[in-house]
Amino acid sequence: AQSVTQLGSHVSVSEGALVLLRCNYSSSVPPYLFWYVQYPNQGLQLLLKYTSAATLVKGINGFEAEFKKSETSFHLTKPSAHMSDAAEYFCAVSGNTPLVFGKGTRLSVIA
Amino acid sequence: KAGVTQTPRYLIKTRGQQVTLSCSPISGHRSVSWYQQTPGQGLQFLFEYFSETQRNKGNFPGRFSGRQFSNSRSEMNVSTLELGDSALYLCASGTVETQYFGPGTRLLVL
Repeated sequence: AQSVTQLGSHVSVSEGALVLLRCNYSSSVPPYLFWYVQYPNQGLQLLLKYTSAATLVKGINGFEAEFKKSETSFHLTKPSAHMSDAAEYFCAVSGNTPLVFGKGTRLSVIA
Repeated sequence: KAGVTQTPRYLIKTRGQQVTLSCSPISGHRSVSWYQQTPGQGLQFLFEYFSETQRNKGNFPGRFSGRQFSNSRSEMNVSTLELGDSALYLCASGTVETQYFGPGTRLLVL
């Protein structure tokens, strides 16, 4: 069975500050890990994915995530937050199975 | 390449009615998955179709059904609607390594 835990349902950062969204996973098989972003009244947009290649994964809009097997983590970071980053972020895991999502973290960016 | 498209984008139904939602995957994608998103339960997997065959099914009652056509377009049907079926229904196409999502159909059951 697979599961995802996102720590913090709501994170607020100042514009220009570091963004850190936490994700821990559980998987009985080597996982594929994903971060998706959802803007209001829209679907999910893939930010980045880990599929057993490089452990540091770079995505769109300046985001990156590091796969740490020993910590079963896949935290999402961005060095400098922009107002346009305000959205809901979902971490997801799969392993030859349908995606299993975390509950999501709403990111607010304060000017 | 055009993305995943879903129709309609918004629906209002009353309890007891049935509804059909449609999804057109990205050209060349043979796998289509459906997810339900609600504030309380989050994103939950409904079912996956590949080459017209249901490959996986989530833990939803039999009122929820789906099918896939030879052109990979998919439909999902919900019969005897309940208030709790109000949700955003998302369709995705792709592979186990990458799933691309459509904009969703927002269903409101009154």
